[in-house]
Amino acid sequence: EVQLQQSGAELVKPGASVKLSCKTSGYTFSNYYMSWLKQMPGQNIEWIGNIYGGNGGTGYNQKFKGKATLTVDKSSSTAYMDLSSLTSEDSAVYFCARLTGRRYFDFWGPGTMVTVSS
Amino acid sequence: IQLTQSPSLLSASVGDRVTLSCKGSQNINNYLAWYQQKLGEAPKLLIYKTNSLQTGIPSRFSGSGSGTDYTLTISSLHSEDLATYYCYQYNNGWTFGGGTKLELK
Repeated sequence: EVQLQQSGAELVKPGASVKLSCKTSGYTFSNYYMSWLKQMPGQNIEWIGNIYGGNGGTGYNQKFKGKATLTVDKSSSTAYMDLSSLTSEDSAVYFCARLTGRRYFDFWGPGTMVTVSS
Repeated sequence: IQLTQSPSLLSASVGDRVTLSCKGSQNINNYLAWYQQKLGEAPKLLIYKTNSLQTGIPSRFSGSGSGTDYTLTISSLHSEDLATYYCYQYNNGWTFGGGTKLELK
């Protein structure tokens, strides 16, 4: 069974950084891309970027370049997203989702809520 | 590609046939999926490539469309179908529509 487990909620101060994790099981991590997506309260969903589990190759939404950095640890089948220079506009739920070869997301993690507040 | 969903809020009764619409700003070439999101949960894939039902999804859900116009139909609404539904295009980049919230009348 494919499972994506995300790290817990974060409360961070403006200007700080945070690293979110997405630990996977039930499939061959290195054969798929992992995507990260953002959903602000009551808003629609934005694609942040993708990272390939095999070699760490990445692709980003231009809007999130410089804000988000995606990495993977193949040994633990875990994907990570660093968010830097946080502002209130970064307060949101962040999802990881497996990207199929046909370019849609089939399995999602439960999400990590990030709250940026002093 | 921008996606516009209508209506943004739909009130319906259990047993109703429900139709949700999604319109793209450009041709999507059938690379359209639908997701269901319940409050506090992650989105769940219902339909991909316009009309292919994801494994485990009830057959009361169906998708159709072509070009710029796509539809998700629930043939007979169940109470557990109350959620927000998002269309998603993957023909050019990755974008989601603004969602249709389905509530009980």
